[in-house]
Amino acid sequence: GQNIDQPTEMTATEGAIVQINCTYQTSGFNGLFWYQQHAGEAPTFLSYNVLDGLEEKGRFSSFLSRSKGYSYLLLKELQMKDSASYLCAVGPLNNAGNMLTFGGGTRLMVKP
Amino acid sequence: DARVTQTPRHKVTEMGQEVTMRCQPILGHNTVFWYRQTMMQGLELLAYFRNRAPLDDSGMPKDRFSAEMPDATLATLKIQPSEPRDSAVYFCASGFPYGGSNTGELFFGEGSRLTVL
Repeated sequence: GQNIDQPTEMTATEGAIVQINCTYQTSGFNGLFWYQQHAGEAPTFLSYNVLDGLEEKGRFSSFLSRSKGYSYLLLKELQMKDSASYLCAVGPLNNAGNMLTFGGGTRLMVKP
Repeated sequence: DARVTQTPRHKVTEMGQEVTMRCQPILGHNTVFWYRQTMMQGLELLAYFRNRAPLDDSGMPKDRFSAEMPDATLATLKIQPSEPRDSAVYFCASGFPYGGSNTGELFFGEGSRLTVL
């Protein structure tokens, strides 16, 4: 099975940088995905990591350490619209499909 | 603008009634998923199809839930009989398996918010 832990809530200030951590235990590796979900809306894909290291995508970056079972999502130059839940997910990456197990999500509140 | 379409968006029903939720995946996607989201449990995988064949439904209560893909453009999730504990948002998602230029990302529909009284 898979076990995924991430903080329930975080608060940050507009313009600042915030790091959302995710730790996981899995029975086999996997890719690690980050999704953003605004209240009342569907989750949308942000990033994924397959190999160790940092993947940068505009204001968002995601880091993975497979040996430590650890990932983080880094959000820079925070904007009010970044207030949302951020979901960490892991899943097998093979040609059978991309069945993801999601963490409980981290609700980020960005304050002026 | 390709997107996953789900109906109904909202459903209020009474305990014991049958509920059917429908999903039209993005054209061409060959993997389809049903997830349920609640405040307590977060996003839970209920069922998973690849090329219309069910590959995993271990997360789904078999006695009352059933999921099918009668064709490539339609996936259904049925609850019979419904219970108050089934109240949740049910998301359908579709995608391509990881590999080649595919990241394995899932595209989610807007969800069906179910309330069982």
